[in-house]
Amino acid sequence: DTAVSQTPKYLVTQMGNDKSIKCEQNLGHDTMYWYKQDSKKFLKIMFSYNNKELIINETVPNRFSPKSPDKAHLNLHINSLELGDSAVYFCATKDSPGTEAFFGQGTRLTVV
Amino acid sequence: AQTVTQSQPEMSVQEAETVTLSCTYDTSESNYYLFWYKQPPSRQMILVIRQEAYKQQNATENRFSVNFQKAAKSFSLKISDSQLGDTAMYFCAFLIQGAQKLVFGQGTRLTINP
Repeated sequence: DTAVSQTPKYLVTQMGNDKSIKCEQNLGHDTMYWYKQDSKKFLKIMFSYNNKELIINETVPNRFSPKSPDKAHLNLHINSLELGDSAVYFCATKDSPGTEAFFGQGTRLTVV
Repeated sequence: AQTVTQSQPEMSVQEAETVTLSCTYDTSESNYYLFWYKQPPSRQMILVIRQEAYKQQNATENRFSVNFQKAAKSFSLKISDSQLGDTAMYFCAFLIQGAQKLVFGQGTRLTINP
């Protein structure tokens, strides 16, 4: 039973399209994140939600919009996809009092 | 702002050797946590080891141990008796106590050769 699950694992789409990546966790953690890993493997935080409220928004273009319908889900919607959006997107969770972050398996987004 | 620096983009050793990966960080905080994550070709991010800054004793997990030098802001990872399965990207990460933002270094690509 996967603790942090992302769908889809792979996503290939054309420029200009709108797409969503879903994340679900069954750990009961309060905090969820989206990280972007670029082609050089650098991991950069994009957003963080705590109990469905946005607490971190790291200068991400407005085309990216996270949505947390409940504490167990954090989805990432991307409008008007650009070539530079191609990357691996990781969802992660953390229990607020704790420290360890648990990661999903990542979604490789390729924009063509 | 907190920064994490891994100065070794790539390393390569023979199986069964010991290898040390370097990590330095910059912060004015006194209470924080440090981590090493492993990312094998499967892409999954796996926690290898963590260290609480208030603990003087270096953390150890089987073949993995750290050398935590708080004054020098250094946090290196030592892998003993390296195995082929240790081949992966290794990321050093930093978290301020009570904060939510986990900051990663650039990563070190480690290859274990047979």
